Amino acid sequence: QSVLTQPPSASGTPGQRITMSCSGSSSNIGGNPLNWYQQLPGTAPKLLIYGNGQRPSGVPDRFSASKSGTSASLAISGLQSEDEADYYCAAWDDGLNGVVFGGGTKLTVL
Amino acid sequence: QLQLQESGPGLVKSSETLSLTCTVSGASISTTSYYWGWIRQPPGKGLEWIGSIHHSGDRYSHPSLKSRVTISVDTSKNQFSLKLNSVTAADTAMYYCTRIYGSGSSFDYWGQGTLVTVSS
Repeated sequence: QSVLTQPPSASGTPGQRITMSCSGSSSNIGGNPLNWYQQLPGTAPKLLIYGNGQRPSGVPDRFSASKSGTSASLAISGLQSEDEADYYCAAWDDGLNGVVFGGGTKLTVL
Repeated sequence: QLQLQESGPGLVKSSETLSLTCTVSGASISTTSYYWGWIRQPPGKGLEWIGSIHHSGDRYSHPSLKSRVTISVDTSKNQFSLKLNSVTAADTAMYYCTRIYGSGSSFDYWGQGTLVTVSS
């Protein structure tokens, strides 16, 4: 059971805009920056969004994130087949004094 | 370009100690303000943070693993290491070493990962 809750799956068609959620509590999402990771099949995860909405160099602006209270969401616009991957949210947890991850959302591009 | 590379045995016997090393190239562990971390992923499952360390020795580890985990830094070799003792089949996973940027959960550089299987 992950500390951060993500839906196990999401899907969309090419060109569509999809969102996926990540919910937590005041000790993690509510009080600390949230980060999103993309894990393509068979590869190491990659930092997609950090610090509540910033994209590392090279990440397309099709990816965006928002946070409100103890919940957050990742949005992907202009969905492409290469976006098919697992997406994880992560945050520091003040109670745990460590990092917590969501269980991941598997995105399928139909 | 910063690169991280995990190394260590791919097979460990149950009850023994898992030992992995992460070699950092392209930057010095000791001249930056970054933390360095270990994350694992059991086959077909999600990501689990194991622990993080700074070259000064400041370190954090997951409470559920704390009693079995040792994370250390060797600045002379530009490496950091993970030891996990008393392993069981539940410790079978892909183990990644990472660099941590900014907040404690921004892992901006990752190694390719190394699969460690615990055998009985």
